[in-house]
Amino acid sequence: DAGVIQSPRHEVTEMGQEVTLRCKPISGHNSLFWYRQTMMRGLELLIYFNNNVPIDDSGMPEDRFSAKMPNASFSTLKIQPSEPRDSAVYFCASSPEDRSTDTQYFGPGTRLTVL
Amino acid sequence: GDSVTQMEGPVTLSEEAFLTINCTYTATGYPSLFWYVQYPGEGLQLLLKATKADDKGSNKGFEATYRKETTSFHLEKGSVQVSDSAVYFCALSATGGSYIPTFGRGTSLIVHP
Repeated sequence: DAGVIQSPRHEVTEMGQEVTLRCKPISGHNSLFWYRQTMMRGLELLIYFNNNVPIDDSGMPEDRFSAKMPNASFSTLKIQPSEPRDSAVYFCASSPEDRSTDTQYFGPGTRLTVL
Repeated sequence: GDSVTQMEGPVTLSEEAFLTINCTYTATGYPSLFWYVQYPGEGLQLLLKATKADDKGSNKGFEATYRKETTSFHLEKGSVQVSDSAVYFCALSATGGSYIPTFGRGTSLIVHP
């Protein structure tokens, strides 16, 4: 079975450019999460969707970040304009339901470098 | 709010040594507890979990027991291998309100031949 799919795997861009990260969750999973991982701050939750609806976006750093989930099989995380401090690995994860016992299934991540 | 505290790393061991990575938590309600592992260049993947007090999760020789009285979920392995070198994350998912998981900072394990 295919796991969580993320694209691109690597992205290098210049400051001020728009960046779009993409995620395809595991089929049948109802919950989707976007995380950011850096050495300084560890793993941070950015936003959580359940049944395509954003439930908690309190981790989104600022208005430059936006996320959408137009259907159950696709989500995007957009940064506009990008800044060097956005450089990080961005992970998408999905889980079957909205339950405390659920395992999260992570994608391979997108390594973003903003010059 | 909910929180997870892990021991600072890196933990450096020789092959076949015994491993313990400490994890303690604070949470409302009765959380589920998880250990995830992240190998270099990859995403996190579930190693084991326990969903109620006194449960023991186990996988690939790793074990952790859900201790409600000490609010702990320490990870152990009797004999580590070089291939166990990775970053290990303790996490919880509480039952009250949001099920958004809370992760610890991660503990890096380095195993030398």
